[in-house]
Amino acid sequence: AQSVTQPDIHITVSEGASLELRCNYSYGATPYLFWYVQSPGQGLQLLLKYFSGDTLVQGIKGFEAEFKRSQSSFNLRKPSVHWSDAAEYFCAVGDGNQFYFGTGTSLTVIP
Amino acid sequence: DTAVSQTPKYLVTQMGNDKSIKCEQNLGHDTMYWYKQDSKKFLKIMFSYNNKELIINETVPNRFSPKSPDKAHLNLHINSLELGDSAVYFCASTRTPGVGEQYFGPGTRLTVT
Repeated sequence: AQSVTQPDIHITVSEGASLELRCNYSYGATPYLFWYVQSPGQGLQLLLKYFSGDTLVQGIKGFEAEFKRSQSSFNLRKPSVHWSDAAEYFCAVGDGNQFYFGTGTSLTVIP
Repeated sequence: DTAVSQTPKYLVTQMGNDKSIKCEQNLGHDTMYWYKQDSKKFLKIMFSYNNKELIINETVPNRFSPKSPDKAHLNLHINSLELGDSAVYFCASTRTPGVGEQYFGPGTRLTVT
């Protein structure tokens, strides 16, 4: 079975600072890659996805992610974090049959 | 228009009771899911239906029984509720399993006392 690792359980950044959330996956072929955000008390919302083509993908809310096949990674970045970005972030992989989620990274933003 | 809706949003009940959670999607998707999110935010897939047929049935106690009356609805019935069933349950749907974006409902917070 595929697996998704988000090595950072919790990250704290200052408002205005840059952000990178890490995601590594285990899958033999090129997977379908997703980042979702979960605000407190809400369901998950798609930030961005990668299927093929340009390895740098842009998403909503100013987020971007880069697919690196050699590192089996799909890290999420934002150049300047806003207080409203405080949330739980999930990386997910699809293999054409199922989806697999990472354990999530909780982001705290300090003023 | 809400894409994926769940009812109820909150459910508080006692051990041993039976309860149901309902999910509806108006996106025309063929595939729907139930996930359980525990207190540590870990998301675990429970079931998946494609066009009313069960396609994923993870290791879940048989007290949990999904039912899909049509491809727009996926309900979850839980018998003999236990304290460990307390969690947030999310319904989701996608056009293509394992490929397309999933759309999540707002969640149902189940508390078993």
